[in-house]
Amino acid sequence: QLRLQESGSGLMKPSQTLSLTCAVSGGSISNGDYSWSWIRQPPGKGLEWIGYIYHSGSTYYNPSLKSRVTMSVDRSKNHFSLKLNSVTAADTAVYFCARLSCNGGLCYSVGLFDIWGQGTMVTVSS
Amino acid sequence: SFELTQPPSVSVSPGQTASITCSGDKLGDQFASWFQQRPGQSPVLVIYQDSKRPPGIPERFSGSNSGNTATLTISGTQAVDEADYYCQAWDSSTALCVFGTGTKVTVV
Repeated sequence: QLRLQESGSGLMKPSQTLSLTCAVSGGSISNGDYSWSWIRQPPGKGLEWIGYIYHSGSTYYNPSLKSRVTMSVDRSKNHFSLKLNSVTAADTAVYFCARLSCNGGLCYSVGLFDIWGQGTMVTVSS
Repeated sequence: SFELTQPPSVSVSPGQTASITCSGDKLGDQFASWFQQRPGQSPVLVIYQDSKRPPGIPERFSGSNSGNTATLTISGTQAVDEADYYCQAWDSSTALCVFGTGTKVTVV
C-alpha cells in the first residue's frame, strides 16, 4: 500500500522560503502512471491546489502561486518537494501531498487524487 | 476563471438521502471527483470520473454529472458520513485543477 508522508517547515517568518518534502513509500515515484501534487488548506477554509509534477520533472502550477513555487522530484530518495518563497501570513495552511493517478491519460483531464498524506501545518508569523 | 460552487451546508436525518451539488460552467464536459474530509483528517476520494467508486467506498455513495452540475448522493446516510465534502474538476483548457467551495454535511 503506497503511503505519503510530509515533512519540513513548521513555524516560519514572513519573507522566508517554505520547504516541504513528501516521502513516498510502498511504491516508486518513477512510475509513469502517476504524477505528484501539493494541495493546501488554510485553517477553517477549503482546499487549494498548488501544482503537480510529472516523474519526468515537468510541472503545472496554480497561476496564483506560480511566481513563488518550485516543485522537484528526487528519484534516488523516492520523494518530491515543494518550495514556496516570500511567504506571508496568507500562506499559513495545512499542506498535503497527494498522488495524482493519470492512468495513461492526460493528468489535467482524467487525473484523480487517490492517495493523500496526513498533512503538515505551516504557520507564518512574525 | 473556472469556479466550482457548492452549498455551504446540508442537513440530513439518519437513513435519509443527502444530495450535494457542485456547479460550474459546462462542468458536465469534464470529469468530476468528490472528496470526504472528516475533522482533522486528510481528504478521501469517494467518487471519481463522475460516478465511479474507489475500492472500499460504500455503495451508498453515488455521483452524476451533466450540464453545469455534478451531484454527490449519499443514500441511507449514517452518522459516520458527517464531514466536509469537496468536488473537484480539471479545467482542461488551462490544465488547472479546481476544488469546489466545500459543503458541510450534518447528520441530525
